[in-house]
Amino acid sequence: EAGVTQFPSHSVIEKGQTVTLRCDPISGHDNLYWYRRVMGKEIKFLLHFVKESKQDESGMPNNRFLAERTGGTYSTLKVQPAELEDSGVYFCASSPTGGGRETQYFGPGTRLLVL
Amino acid sequence: EDQVTQSPEALRLQEGESSSLNCSYTVSGLRGLFWYRQDPGKGPEFLFTLYSAGEEKEKERLKATLTKKESFLHITAPKPEDSATYLCAVPGTASKLTFGTGTRLQVTL
Repeated sequence: EAGVTQFPSHSVIEKGQTVTLRCDPISGHDNLYWYRRVMGKEIKFLLHFVKESKQDESGMPNNRFLAERTGGTYSTLKVQPAELEDSGVYFCASSPTGGGRETQYFGPGTRLLVL
Repeated sequence: EDQVTQSPEALRLQEGESSSLNCSYTVSGLRGLFWYRQDPGKGPEFLFTLYSAGEEKEKERLKATLTKKESFLHITAPKPEDSATYLCAVPGTASKLTFGTGTRLQVTL
């Protein structure tokens, strides 16, 4: 069974540019999560989709971040315009049915550097 | 707000030298505690879930235990391939995970 995949693995952009990150969850997983780790800090939650609906977006830092999950399959996270503090590693995770007791499986992450 | 604190930040062991990693947590109601392993340049890899105080889980040289305030990850006779960052996390009411900053483990020959 294929795991969670993310694209690109790395992205280097200049401040003010736009970047779109993509996540493909494990097939059949209705729940998709985005997390971020900035340098020296812990991994922090950004948002949670159940199928195509946003269940919880309390961790989104500001309105420069836009997440979508059309059709309830893959998800994109767009940062527009990017700022220096957006640099970090963005992880996607998925789980079958949701609920706090369920294991979330993580992708390899996208390393974003904003110059 | 849920909080997770891991110690030590870094740990260097010789091969075969057993030790324990600590994860202290503060949550409004424990729904479980997850341990992950993360290798450089990769995403967190699931190891264990513990759901209630007193529960223990084992996998090869790793054993995770849980009390009402903390969890321990015991590493018995570690090998160099056990070198990684070990993360613990607790789920909130809305499924989101709160992570600790991790313990970087290095096992040398």
